[in-house]
Amino acid sequence: ETGVTQTPRHLVMGMTNKKSLKCEQHLGHNAMYWYKQSAKKPLELMFVYSLEERVENNSVPSRFSPECPNSSHLFLHLHTLQPEDSALYLCASRLVTGTEAFFGQGTRLTVV
Amino acid sequence: GIQVEQSPPDLILQEGANSTLRCNFSDSVNNLQWFHQNPWGQLINLFYIPSGTKQNGRLSATTVATERYSLLYISSSQTTDSGVYFCAVEVSGGSQGNLIFGKGTKLSVKP
Repeated sequence: ETGVTQTPRHLVMGMTNKKSLKCEQHLGHNAMYWYKQSAKKPLELMFVYSLEERVENNSVPSRFSPECPNSSHLFLHLHTLQPEDSALYLCASRLVTGTEAFFGQGTRLTVV
Repeated sequence: GIQVEQSPPDLILQEGANSTLRCNFSDSVNNLQWFHQNPWGQLINLFYIPSGTKQNGRLSATTVATERYSLLYISSSQTTDSGVYFCAVEVSGGSQGNLIFGKGTKLSVKP
């Protein structure tokens, strides 16, 4: 248990569906991240929120929409996804000026 | 951008054997972490080690920041050590806390 919790753990959605991934941490961290891990690719940074403001968007398609309502919660809203978006989505958190990043268990997404 | 290279990409060991995993990076870093990804996808923190040497049980790690590499040592390997080991770095002066990952070393420990 790392203190970062992601839900759901598994998600199957159609290309016309809208769904959301949730990440929650109660470690007192100020920065939260979304990463994508596709088969046979390195982990790719998608979004960074620092002090609840988005500071980086790594050229992610608009069908992925992040939301950070407070420093403990991070969402990734999904709509009209493509089959190639199937991947493991990982959330992480850390102190803005701190050290270690901690990851959640991930959400394994399948788009059909 | 910074390049993070891990070697070897794949490693098969007999239970009880020792191994060394390597991470080379191409720029100055102010954060380096080693993770173990278990079969369910969870990234487990092993070490936060931007420099120096640390030990935790059968695992130890050394980072030589001036020479831009880090090593992860696994001694007396067990089948539960199987999985993918990732090195991740944060560039000095870079964007806030962005960890850049290597491609990982896939370790299989046979009984």
